[in-house]
Amino acid sequence: NAGVMQNPRHLVRRRGQEARLRCSPMKGHSHVYWYRQLPEEGLKFMVYLQKENIIDESGMPKERFSAEFPKEGPSILRIQQVVRGDSAAYFCASSPPGGAGEFFGPGTRLTVL
Amino acid sequence: DAKTTQPNSMESNEEEPVHLPCNHSTISGTDYIHWYRQLPSQGPEYVIHGLTSNVNNRMASLAIAEDRKSSTLILHRATLRDAAVYYCILGIAYSGAGSYQLTFGKGTKLSVIP
Repeated sequence: NAGVMQNPRHLVRRRGQEARLRCSPMKGHSHVYWYRQLPEEGLKFMVYLQKENIIDESGMPKERFSAEFPKEGPSILRIQQVVRGDSAAYFCASSPPGGAGEFFGPGTRLTVL
Repeated sequence: DAKTTQPNSMESNEEEPVHLPCNHSTISGTDYIHWYRQLPSQGPEYVIHGLTSNVNNRMASLAIAEDRKSSTLILHRATLRDAAVYYCILGIAYSGAGSYQLTFGKGTKLSVIP
């Protein structure tokens, strides 16, 4: 079984551009979570989605950030008009219905110049 | 918010058992105790989780105090590959979904000495 896949692994954007981060959950997993990790810090929860639904977005910044998990295809975390403070590692995790732990992807490292 | 307290760092000799402590004195009755670990430049890896009873799996054991205000992750024989940051997390369960909101702290950085 393939694990959680994220792409790209590294993304460089200039201030003001858009960043799109993709996450393909493990086969059979219908729950997706996004986290952000700033350098030398722990992961911060951003959003929890199930297919076509946002369940909990309490960790999402109010502006410029959005997430979706469509019926078909990967989950997308979108950051509009990126700023230097958005530079971080963004991790996606998935879990099956009924729980049993979250399985994390390798992360996307976003660098904003 | 329920929070956990862990030592910043610990050392262990290779092939010896490791006991990683975690205090969570404000835990509520429905909070599950989760442990994850993160190797450098990688995503976190699930280790184990439990509610009240001690738990064992192929990676580790989780010993939960009777009052649930503390727990200990036990690695039975540390290897060099176990060197990582270990996070003790109180997962807030989403009703009916079997999933949890996890809040990661700074964790314990475990070094394994050959």
